[in-house]
Amino acid sequence: KNEVEQSPQNLTAQEGEFITINCSYSVGISALHWLQQHPGGGIVSLFMLSSGKKKHGRLIATINIQEKHSSLHITASHPRDSAVYICAVPQGGSEKLVFGKGMKLTVNP
Amino acid sequence: NAGVTQTPKFRILKIGQSMTLQCAQDMNHNYMYWYRQDPGMGLKLIYYSVGAGITDKGEVPNGYNVSRSTTEDFPLRLELAAPSQTSVYFCASLRQGLMNTEAFFGQGTRLTVV
Repeated sequence: KNEVEQSPQNLTAQEGEFITINCSYSVGISALHWLQQHPGGGIVSLFMLSSGKKKHGRLIATINIQEKHSSLHITASHPRDSAVYICAVPQGGSEKLVFGKGMKLTVNP
Repeated sequence: NAGVTQTPKFRILKIGQSMTLQCAQDMNHNYMYWYRQDPGMGLKLIYYSVGAGITDKGEVPNGYNVSRSTTEDFPLRLELAAPSQTSVYFCASLRQGLMNTEAFFGQGTRLTVV
């Protein structure tokens, strides 16, 4: 079974700071998902990546398949980025996703 | 497209009661999932389905049942509610693509069993 670890578990930042959220997994995978859970509970998909780097607005996701590690970076953070960020990986070769516990980010104005 | 629609948003059940959490998606996705999220914990897979007529157990299936008679609908049934089933439940579907697999989630159902 793939174990997914996220660090840190909580992070408080000031508006404008550069933020990095880490995700490590134990078994080799084909792709990794980053998701965002809003304070109201809704979950949205941010990225799916299988190699290298993806960028969407102020969000950048990178993955190192050999090291079994991914990072999500937020540039010029804003209070509206406050949310729980979750990474997820497939279990085995299936489409069943195993989720990390998430990292709660609070960005203060 | 409405995406993934989950109902109800909130529910309080008494121990031993039963209920069905509804989930529907209009994106013609084959893969659908039910997860529960307990405070401070990651999402745990209850059941999943790879297409109409096919369902399988996830990590925490005890106390739940599912059916998938159509591609669109994937209801989750609790037969004898227990306090341990107090949780937030999420339904999800997966759009599969070679380069762009994406997960879509419902808004969640907050269930309290008293």
